[in-house]
Amino acid sequence: GAVVSQHPSWVICKSGTSVKIECRSLDFQATTMFWYRQFPKQSLMLMATSNEGSKATYEQGVEKDKFLINHASLTLSTLTVTSAHPEDSSFYICSVPGQGFTGELFFGEGSRLTVL
Amino acid sequence: GENVEQHPSTLSVQEGDSAVIKCTYSDSASNYFPWYKQELGKGPQLIIDIRSNVGEKKDQRIAVTLNKTAKHFSLHITETQPEDSAVYFCAASEGAGSYQLTFGKGTKLSVIP
Repeated sequence: GAVVSQHPSWVICKSGTSVKIECRSLDFQATTMFWYRQFPKQSLMLMATSNEGSKATYEQGVEKDKFLINHASLTLSTLTVTSAHPEDSSFYICSVPGQGFTGELFFGEGSRLTVL
Repeated sequence: GENVEQHPSTLSVQEGDSAVIKCTYSDSASNYFPWYKQELGKGPQLIIDIRSNVGEKKDQRIAVTLNKTAKHFSLHITETQPEDSAVYFCAASEGAGSYQLTFGKGTKLSVIP
């Protein structure tokens, strides 16, 4: 399976500041990556699809101006939470498709964001 | 769109016993069904998956069964061990070329030593 690295694993920030989370595909290139959000004791919810070299595709209800996604290379996607508020506190997880268009998705270790 | 229901939400078993988690899905176009294990504070880990052309798949102590007619699939863990304690998520998608996974709400499995 794919090896996916996320950084930072946890971050605490003040309300109103911006936070950037990085997602790297370590063992092969990924033209597409996915960003999920998970609130405590809940399931994973897809936020957006990150596309290398083009704009991200956001799910309904996700503010694209608040959650900025940049997929500048075939191995790196970044999620920036802008003007963070306490309600943005969550577990953010990226995922990378397996090779061969099989439908398999491999997830990173997640990034815990706490907004004070 | 797809809707995935997962039961039970919590499950406690004695070490060595078997655990079964069941999921149902609504979209007959779905043909890829993965199971993920998520330990506390970590990302989900793919543990087994099954496609609609197969009725059962086994990997050591873990097995998954699929009934496409009834639109349900199940995860079976035999000879459970304390390290099997985690939250398990089922998911469904249209498979090849589609990465739109719809997840169940998760099952918290506790294996009691």
